[in-house]
Amino acid sequence: GQQVMQIPQYQHVQEGEDFTTYCNSSTTLSNIQWYKQRPGGHPVFLIQLVKSGEVKKQKRLTFQFGEAKKNSSLHITATQTTDVGTYFCAGEVAGANSKLTFGKGITLSVRP
Amino acid sequence: NAGVMQNPRHLVRRRGQEARLRCSPMKGHSHVYWYRQLPEEGLKFMVYLQKENIIDESGMPKERFSAEFPKEGPSILRIQQVVRGDSAAYFCASSPYAAGEQYFGPGTRLTVT
Repeated sequence: GQQVMQIPQYQHVQEGEDFTTYCNSSTTLSNIQWYKQRPGGHPVFLIQLVKSGEVKKQKRLTFQFGEAKKNSSLHITATQTTDVGTYFCAGEVAGANSKLTFGKGITLSVRP
Repeated sequence: NAGVMQNPRHLVRRRGQEARLRCSPMKGHSHVYWYRQLPEEGLKFMVYLQKENIIDESGMPKERFSAEFPKEGPSILRIQQVVRGDSAAYFCASSPYAAGEQYFGPGTRLTVT
C-alpha cells in the first residue's frame, strides 16, 4: 500500500538554529498537507500543497512540494521554543477516495 | 463557528464493555474521518464517512468496530467488547470537501482496564 515516510522520528535543535525535515511518498500524490500537534493536543492543519514544485511560506515556516510530487519539505528558520511539537505530513493519492495517509511525524524539541 | 467537537474527552471501559465515541463536525462539513493514535505514534486512518455513507473503511478492524454518520446528529465510532489493545486516542476530523484540509477535534482518550 501507499506509504508516507518521515525520518528521523525525533530531532533536537538549539533555539535560533534552522530546522528542515522531509516527507517521502512511495507513490505520486495529488496533494500533500502538513499538520502540527503540540504535546497532549490534537493535530492542527498548517498548509496544503497541490502543484509540482510549489513553495509556500508562513512566517518562519517554508513548505515545498517536490517536482515529481512524491516528496515535500518543511523548513523552519530560527527555531523558537513555540515550534516544539510533532509535525506530520499527509499525502493524498489520486483516486484513493480522498483518504490522507499520514507519516509517523517528526517530534521537534528546541533547547532554549 | 465552533470547531470539531468530540465527546467524551476521556472514557474508561472494562474489558468486554462497549465504547461509543461521538464527533460533531464543523458546521457545513459533510466529510468526517476517524483516526487512532497510540503514544508517540502517528495517526492511523480508520474510516472516512460522508453523510450517511461509508466511503472508505479500509483502516478499521472488521470485527468489533463500526462507524456511522447519520443524516442528523454526530458521527459515532463504536467499539464492541473492548480489549486492552483498544486503549488509544481516537481523533475525528472534518473537512468541507473531499481531499480538503482536515480540522481535528480534541480527541477521545480511551482507556480499557
